[in-house]
Amino acid sequence: NAGVTQTPKFQVLKTGQSMTLQCAQDMNHEYMSWYRQDPGMGLRLIHYSVGAGITDQGEVPNGYNVSRSTTEDFPLRLLSAAPSQTSVYFCASSGGSSEQFFGPGTRLTVL
Amino acid sequence: AQSVTQPDIHITVSEGASLELRCNYSYGATPYLFWYVQSPGQGLQLLLKYFSGDTLVQGIKGFEAEFKRSQSSFNLRKPSVHWSDAAEYFCAVGASRGEKLTFGTGTRLTIIP
Repeated sequence: NAGVTQTPKFQVLKTGQSMTLQCAQDMNHEYMSWYRQDPGMGLRLIHYSVGAGITDQGEVPNGYNVSRSTTEDFPLRLLSAAPSQTSVYFCASSGGSSEQFFGPGTRLTVL
Repeated sequence: AQSVTQPDIHITVSEGASLELRCNYSYGATPYLFWYVQSPGQGLQLLLKYFSGDTLVQGIKGFEAEFKRSQSSFNLRKPSVHWSDAAEYFCAVGASRGEKLTFGTGTRLTIIP
């Protein structure tokens, strides 16, 4: 099992550009989540999904969109990148035991 | 609303000394509690978790944590730290299903020889 995979590892965008951060898991987990990590602020929940076709907002959803068309994939879309979205993004999945398994992260810089 | 407080931003410990990292939580129902560790530039690794039962839980790398409901605390301990324990440590609380966790702001641990 590869676990939770994220691509790309690094990305630099200009303000206003759009992009999609990819996340996939091969553990057949029902729950998936996106977090952002900023210095001194821990991890904050952006969006989460409790199953294919079902998503909901977390603590900091503004500027991000998600969809969950399959159990395996949970992409995060930035429609118009802003410097405030410079961060490290982590995807996680859970099989329902509350324990989350994290991907390696994507480091995003918005200029 | 649920929340997690890690009051120590940075702790420095000598190699071989004991360690205690503090975590206080606020949660309306039965909490599911976790400690994760993150080495520089890496993802998060689960150290240990508490769901129910024995309030002293053992984790990987020689870590343990004690759940104290009366104090709303879940402190992480290690009797003797190693230089490889230098990292950032996060306490988190969640519900039973697992779709989201609330994290503390983290404690950075520095080990001196």
